[in-house]
Amino acid sequence: DGGITQSPKYLFRKEGQNVTLSCEQNLNHDAMYWYRQDPGQGLRLIYYSQIVNDFQKGDIAEGYSVSREKKESFPLTVTSAQKNPTAFYLCASSASTGVGNEKLFFGSGTQLSVL
Amino acid sequence: GQQLNQSPQSMFIQEGEDVSMNCTSSSIFNTWLWYKQDPGEGPVLLIALYKAGELTSNGRLTAQFGITRKDSFLNISASIPSDVGIYFCAGRFNNDMRFGAGTRLTVKP
Repeated sequence: DGGITQSPKYLFRKEGQNVTLSCEQNLNHDAMYWYRQDPGQGLRLIYYSQIVNDFQKGDIAEGYSVSREKKESFPLTVTSAQKNPTAFYLCASSASTGVGNEKLFFGSGTQLSVL
Repeated sequence: GQQLNQSPQSMFIQEGEDVSMNCTSSSIFNTWLWYKQDPGEGPVLLIALYKAGELTSNGRLTAQFGITRKDSFLNISASIPSDVGIYFCAGRFNNDMRFGAGTRLTVKP
């Protein structure tokens, strides 16, 4: 079965700690994305990657970092610089970022909470 | 950046009723998409619209791409309990995708 797998489902962060959220896809998609979801708000883009070894900041990149060493994997690190990290984090992928292939496929999300 | 206004924020309806929700923007988009999210899960694509005026159906769901390219509508006919969830609109212009804040739908049996 093709899809996007996020792990863990729930994650707790202590103050001053960096945590990493995993995202793996076996859809052979070129583009991958990280979104943050807060209650009552639309999804906000943190980072995206169009191709291996390349990524771009989204609207709310401060306090986050990513890497794209493999096509299948796009991990997100929430650093200690992110002062309000509690949110639901969604990873998504698409076949490309070009016009005509904008359908995003989402993982099932990671709920991050601060202890 | 471009902002999407999605309404209503929430709806409480009786099973069997029809539902309408919409998204509006001050900017134009060249693609509109509608997603549904179940609690604790990621959104799932319902319908994608690519041309102004386009009307597309997916079972009991019908969506339209507004003529002005600044709005889109989603209708659900004869609602059933499994329609419960949050419905999001998304508009795309070139490589920029924006999401509405969602409409939370509750269906009472």
